[in-house]
Parts: sequence; structure tokens; C-alpha cells
Amino acid sequence: EIVMTQSPATLSVSPGERATLSCRASQSVSINLAWYQQKPGQAPRLLIYGVSTRATGIPARFSGSGSGTEFTLTISSLQSEDFAVYYCQQYNNWWTFGQGTKVEIK
Amino acid sequence: EVQLVESGGGLVQPGGSLRLSCAASGFTFSSYEMNWVRQAPGKGLEWVSYISGGGDTMYYADFIKGRFTISRDNAKSSLYLQMNSLRAEDTAVYYCARTFSGRYNDYWGQGTLVTVSS
Repeated sequence: EIVMTQSPATLSVSPGERATLSCRASQSVSINLAWYQQKPGQAPRLLIYGVSTRATGIPARFSGSGSGTEFTLTISSLQSEDFAVYYCQQYNNWWTFGQGTKVEIK
Repeated sequence: EVQLVESGGGLVQPGGSLRLSCAASGFTFSSYEMNWVRQAPGKGLEWVSYISGGGDTMYYADFIKGRFTISRDNAKSSLYLQMNSLRAEDTAVYYCARTFSGRYNDYWGQGTLVTVSS
């Protein structure tokens, strides 16, 4: 099983600042990596797939990068609606998720 | 508009059974692979099971160990998860999710809560 490890567990950021979230895979997942956003009491929402392709309707302030085993989700200027938990997921070999990074208001 | 609506969750005793349903609309259901993903209270996301568009290929997470069965009825645009021999650790919100070409989950239902407790 491919283990996905996200860091940090919690990220405290002020509105308008940049947030950088990391995701590491225990073995290469090529570009088969997605990011999801989840707000309390809601289902996850697809943000990015294929490492860097934004899903329909996702603002340009969300961007993804990386390949192989190291990946990054960047939110360029945090808006109030962006405070949530973010999960990375690999789909190269079955489907496994990271444990999540909570982005909270500083 | 793509919609996925789960139902069938509830309180069940350890060792009991439950059947979850997911009603799909807004897309050609038979053309899409589907996943069940669960989330224990306060925890992260965990893939449970996959089914192909035609329903002839199924995969399960190792922890299922033959206890769950995924199925679909394309005529009814519905996805199912039959859960037997339930354990306390199966307590979670269960989401159905549309899977794009067997890769990422592009649409999710709102989830249904399964609580396994005596």
C-alpha cells in the first residue's frame, strides 16, 4: 500500500497570505495525485487532479506542483472560504489519502 | 447537475448488517466507475470499494476482508454497499463518489452515517 504523508498537520495563516501544503508518497505515484478540500459537515470537494490541473470552478489561487513522491498545494492568497482541511490522494495504485492538513485562521 | 444522494445509514449492533444506497442523477451513470469512501468521526478519508461502470469489476480495501459487497443497478442509476459482520471500527460517514476513469473522485455525495454500537 502506498502511504501518503501530509505536512504540517495544522497550518495557521492570516487571510491574504500564502499557504503551502506538502504531501509525500511512500513510493512514486507519477502524476496520479489529487487534492481535495473538506469543510466541517461537508463532503470533500475535488480541487486538483493530475498534480496540477484545477477541477471545474476552482479558482486560480489554488495551484499544485510536484511529481514522483513529493507534491505541493499552494493557495496564493487565502480567502475566508479557504479555511478547511485539505487531503491529498494518490490513484496510481489503488486509492489512498493523506491524513489531512487543517488550514486555520491565524 | 451531477447529484449523488446516499441513504441507508443508521445504528446497528456489532455483527449486524446494513445496506447503503447511492442514487445518482445528472449524468450517464453506466459510463462511470464509482467508489465508496468512508470517514470515521474526526478522522481522515479511507477508500472502501470500487466498481466498474458495467458492474463486472470490483475491488475492496484489505480491511473489508469479505464482509462488504459493492454492486450497482445501472437501470436505476444506483450504487449499493452491502455491509455484513459490522464492527465498531466500521463506524463512519460513508460517501459514494463518482470516479473519473478509475482515477480521482470528481463528485461526492453528502454521506450517510453508519454507527456500529451495542
